[in-house]
Amino acid sequence: TQLLEQSPQFLSIQEGENLTVYCNSSSVFSSLQWYRQEPGEGPVLLVTVVTGGEVKKLKRLTFQFGDARKDSSLHITAAQPGDTGLYLCAGEEGSNYKLTFGKGTLLTVNP
Amino acid sequence: ETGVTQTPRHLVMGMTNKKSLKCEQHLGHNAMYWYKQSAKKPLELMFVYSLEERVENNSVPSRFSPECPNSSHLFLHLHTLQPEDSALYLCASSQEGGGEQFFGPGTRLTVL
Repeated sequence: TQLLEQSPQFLSIQEGENLTVYCNSSSVFSSLQWYRQEPGEGPVLLVTVVTGGEVKKLKRLTFQFGDARKDSSLHITAAQPGDTGLYLCAGEEGSNYKLTFGKGTLLTVNP
Repeated sequence: ETGVTQTPRHLVMGMTNKKSLKCEQHLGHNAMYWYKQSAKKPLELMFVYSLEERVENNSVPSRFSPECPNSSHLFLHLHTLQPEDSALYLCASSQEGGGEQFFGPGTRLTVL
C-alpha cells in the first residue's frame, strides 16, 4: 500500500505570512493532485502535477512535483483568511482509478 | 444543478435502520466513486464504478452496498451499521480511466 505523508498536520498563521506544506512518499506516482476542502464541503481540485520537477502557479499558490515524482510541495505567498482549509494531496497510480490520499494539512489564516 | 450533488447532507440513524445515500453527477463523467472520510485518517476509497460496472471494492463490509443504475447516479445502501461507521461519505466522479476527480459536498453520517 502506497502512503502519502503530509506535514505539518496543523498550521496556524497570520494574514500576510508565507507558508509551505509538504507531501512525501517512498513510492513513485504517475501524477499528484492537490485539493482544498472547506468545512462541510467536499475537496476541490486545485492542481495536478504530472512531470518530475514540474512547477505550477495558481495566483499566490505554487506547486512543485519532485524530480523523482515521490514528493510535492505547496507554497502560499501572502496568505489570506480565504486560504483557510484542509489541504490534501493525492497520488495517482497509473490510470486505474485509485487515488491515495494523505491525511491533509489543516491551515488556519488569522486576520 | 451543476457538478456533483449528494443527498442527504446529514443523516442520523440507529444501528438497525436501513438508509440510502444518493449521488448525482452533472458533468458527463462515466466513473463514480464512494469515499469515507474519518477524523485523523486519509480519505478511504470504498467503491469505484466505471461505465456502470464495479471495478474496485476495497474490502468494504457487506453492510455497505453500492448501486450504480446509470453513469449519472450512484447510491450507497446502508444497513445494520456500527457507531464506528460514523463519518463523512463523499461521492466523486471522473472521466473513465482515472485522472481528476470532482467531489460532492458529502453526507455527514452519524450512527447511534
